[in-house]
Amino acid sequence: DAKTTQPPSMDCAEGRAANLPCNHSTISGNEYVYWYRQIHSQGPQYIIHGLKNNETNEMASLIITEDRKSSTLILPHATLRDTAVYYCIVRVDTSGTYKYIFGTGTRLKVLA
Amino acid sequence: DGGITQSPKYLFRKEGQNVTLSCEQNLNHDAMYWYRQDPGQGLRLIYYSQIVNDFQKGDIAEGYSVSREKKESFPLTVTSAQKNPTAFYLCASSFSLQGGYGYTFGSGTRLTVV
Repeated sequence: DAKTTQPPSMDCAEGRAANLPCNHSTISGNEYVYWYRQIHSQGPQYIIHGLKNNETNEMASLIITEDRKSSTLILPHATLRDTAVYYCIVRVDTSGTYKYIFGTGTRLKVLA
Repeated sequence: DGGITQSPKYLFRKEGQNVTLSCEQNLNHDAMYWYRQDPGQGLRLIYYSQIVNDFQKGDIAEGYSVSREKKESFPLTVTSAQKNPTAFYLCASSFSLQGGYGYTFGSGTRLTVV
């Protein structure tokens, strides 16, 4: 199973871009990368996902390296409400069953 | 509005007692999942179900049981065999076999053994 590695914590100034890195060096060709975030004592919230190409939605952008061994989640203009734990997850396909393997995530603190 | 509902939000249990956590979804999702989260840790998979009347063990299934009698419901029972049941429990659902938008999570149940 592919695993992900993320820095345990990061700070970002309000209004600036937050760039959250993730390493997934053992990812397989058909395994997607998903990003979720979890605000304290709530369920995780979906942010974005991708396979090979860079992706953008109203919340964030996802940049995946050409070799797919790492990715970066970009929050273009961080606000105080973006303070949360961010999880980079690889979706593993096990005989048609999809499973997510969660790591410990990056605790992002947005500073006023 | 469609969503996934977990109840209760907080639950207290005496040692040696079984307790059942509820999870209901009206998203018409085929797959449902239970995760456990301990303080400062990521989520660990307990059980998952792709279709009604079928479910598989996840990474930490010992001391837990589930049922999937209806598509909308996936209750989790924490049995007395679970040695350290105090944790935050999260239920999730998704469309099976499709990438889609990943999982939709409930708001969680915090179980405390007293």
